[in-house]
Amino acid sequence: KAGVTQTPRYLIKTRGQQVTLSCSPISGHRSVSWYQQTPGQGLQFLFEYFSETQRNKGNFPGRFSGRQFSNSRSEMNVSTLELGDSALYLCASSLPGQGTETQYFGPGTRLLVL
Amino acid sequence: QQPVQSPQAVILREGEDAVINCSSSKALYSVHWYRQKHGEAPVFLMILLKGGEQKGHDKISASFNEKKQQSSLYLTASQLSYSGTYFCGTEGAHAGGTSYGKLTFGQGTILTVHP
Repeated sequence: KAGVTQTPRYLIKTRGQQVTLSCSPISGHRSVSWYQQTPGQGLQFLFEYFSETQRNKGNFPGRFSGRQFSNSRSEMNVSTLELGDSALYLCASSLPGQGTETQYFGPGTRLLVL
Repeated sequence: QQPVQSPQAVILREGEDAVINCSSSKALYSVHWYRQKHGEAPVFLMILLKGGEQKGHDKISASFNEKKQQSSLYLTASQLSYSGTYFCGTEGAHAGGTSYGKLTFGQGTILTVHP
């Protein structure tokens, strides 16, 4: 099976712009979670989508939003970019279960905000 | 709330053992362990569910003490390929025992294995 794919892999934006990141989960996985990884904060949970609905949300401002399509692909959008948004954004897919199942991570999108 | 991992970093020679601890202040439903090599995505190692189970995978094993809300990852006879950052992810449990449904990761433990 193909793994989780994320596009683009690298992105450079300037402050105030917006950005959209894409994630395609492993075939058959219906849950997609997004994480922000920075050297100072580690892996921070952004949100999780299942069946096109946001099921869980982390403590990020409203500038961070996401959605999931009927084919389970997910997009994450960050509006009005700030310098502090520079990070590696990882998405992970899993089979939904009673709890959090094994998360399979994609390679990430490295975002640099100038 | 973010779990606390210790130590923050450890340096080993091939063949030596290491223990990485993960501690939470909240009741846990499960603990997940991942390893991330530099420039790569985190890779799943194992999940431990409440019930105090212990799991093993090759020479890497882990335990979960539900009452103490702690988990430990044991790496025995370390190999060069074990180098990387190890993360524990904790899944909180409601009072009724059900899951919060999301993972909160620790800051990571950097493991370096030298020849």
